[in-house]
Amino acid sequence: EAGVTQFPSHSVIEKGQTVTLRCDPISGHDNLYWYRRVMGKEIKFLLHFVKESKQDESGMPNNRFLAERTGGTYSTLKVQPAELEDSGVYFCASRPTGVRYGYTFGSGTRLTVV
Amino acid sequence: KQEVTQIPAALSVPEGENLVLNCSFTDSAIYNLQWFRQDPGKGLTSLLLIQSSQREQTSGRLNASLDKSSGRSTLYIAASQPGDSATYLCAVRPSGSRLTFGEGTQLTVNP
Repeated sequence: EAGVTQFPSHSVIEKGQTVTLRCDPISGHDNLYWYRRVMGKEIKFLLHFVKESKQDESGMPNNRFLAERTGGTYSTLKVQPAELEDSGVYFCASRPTGVRYGYTFGSGTRLTVV
Repeated sequence: KQEVTQIPAALSVPEGENLVLNCSFTDSAIYNLQWFRQDPGKGLTSLLLIQSSQREQTSGRLNASLDKSSGRSTLYIAASQPGDSATYLCAVRPSGSRLTFGEGTQLTVNP
């Protein structure tokens, strides 16, 4: 079974530019999550998709962040325009439906805004 | 609001030592607790998942316990090896679906 795939693995962009991160969850996992870890802080929740619908986007920091999940498959997270404080590691995770299932995380995208 | 604390923040031990990593959480109303490992520059690898109805889970040299009523979990690593060096993260799943993470314990096992 393929794991959760994220790309790019690294991205360095200038302040004001746009970046799009992509996540391919495990096939058949209806639940897809985005998390973020900024320097020196704990990993924090950004949002949760169930299939193609946003179930919870209360962790999104502001309207510069836009997430989509096309057809309930892969997801993208766009940051536009990027700011310095957006630098960090963005993780995607997926999970089957049901309380007994744990999360499978991808390897993350390290975003550096300069 | 659920908060997760991991102690110690960093730990350095000689190879072969048994060790315990601690995790505490403020709200005992959780579905489950998951321990992860993160290697530098890598993603999160799930180690153990403990459901709220369980007391412990074991995988190889790892044993995780859960005391939901007191809001505590421990990860026990037996006979530590240099390859165990990584950051260990504890995450709880309260009602709802999101995980709440601790800041992690950075473990170094010296040969």
